[in-house]
Amino acid sequence: QVTLRESGPALVKPTQTLTLTCTFSGFSLSTSGMCVSWIRQAPGKALEWLALIDWDDDKFFSTSLETRLTISKDTSKNQVVLTMTNVDPVDTATYYCARTYAYDTTGYYDDYWGQGTQVTVSA
Amino acid sequence: DIQMTQSPSSLSASVGDRVTITCRASQSINTNLNWYQQKPGKPPKLLIYGSSTLQSGVPSRFSGGGSGTGFTLAISSLQPDDFATYYCQQTYGTHWTFGQGTKVEVK
Repeated sequence: QVTLRESGPALVKPTQTLTLTCTFSGFSLSTSGMCVSWIRQAPGKALEWLALIDWDDDKFFSTSLETRLTISKDTSKNQVVLTMTNVDPVDTATYYCARTYAYDTTGYYDDYWGQGTQVTVSA
Repeated sequence: DIQMTQSPSSLSASVGDRVTITCRASQSINTNLNWYQQKPGKPPKLLIYGSSTLQSGVPSRFSGGGSGTGFTLAISSLQPDDFATYYCQQTYGTHWTFGQGTKVEVK
């Protein structure tokens, strides 16, 4: 049974660094094809893809946010950490982590999602 | 970045209707296109991956197709549980993006 759970601060001040942790079970990030992605959704808005880390420690980032994002994994703890620097009120959103599976050499999908964690950026 | 444009942004339909949603990519993405369904306050649910492969457990009334820059999601006979927002997602290359969503509402 695959589960993912996001954790992190509910409130962050502008210019601070946001650190979010995804703790998962039911799969291993050392298994070929396994990845974890981060996606966010501002209130009433569309989904926005942020970043991915794969079993081989390759990392992909949103073009518009890649200078502010870092992603890392701790395979022994089954955790993936996303950090976002210099946050702004526009970063207020629900942040989701998802298990991403590479089903072939170029195709991926997000088949299991956490429930999301709400982050508000405000002074 | 590859831009994904969904149409329409919203639609009103009745139970039993056939519904079609279109997703257009700003450049070719082969068949690296997924569809998700999202209900309020819930995370998205994978419906279709690789443009046309139905995810396990998803009802067969959902179907997808297309390649290159044009894709469609069809619901053959809309059911009460299908009123939701639908998103396409491209996973071509290393910078992925979602469409802006299509809300399917009760007519």
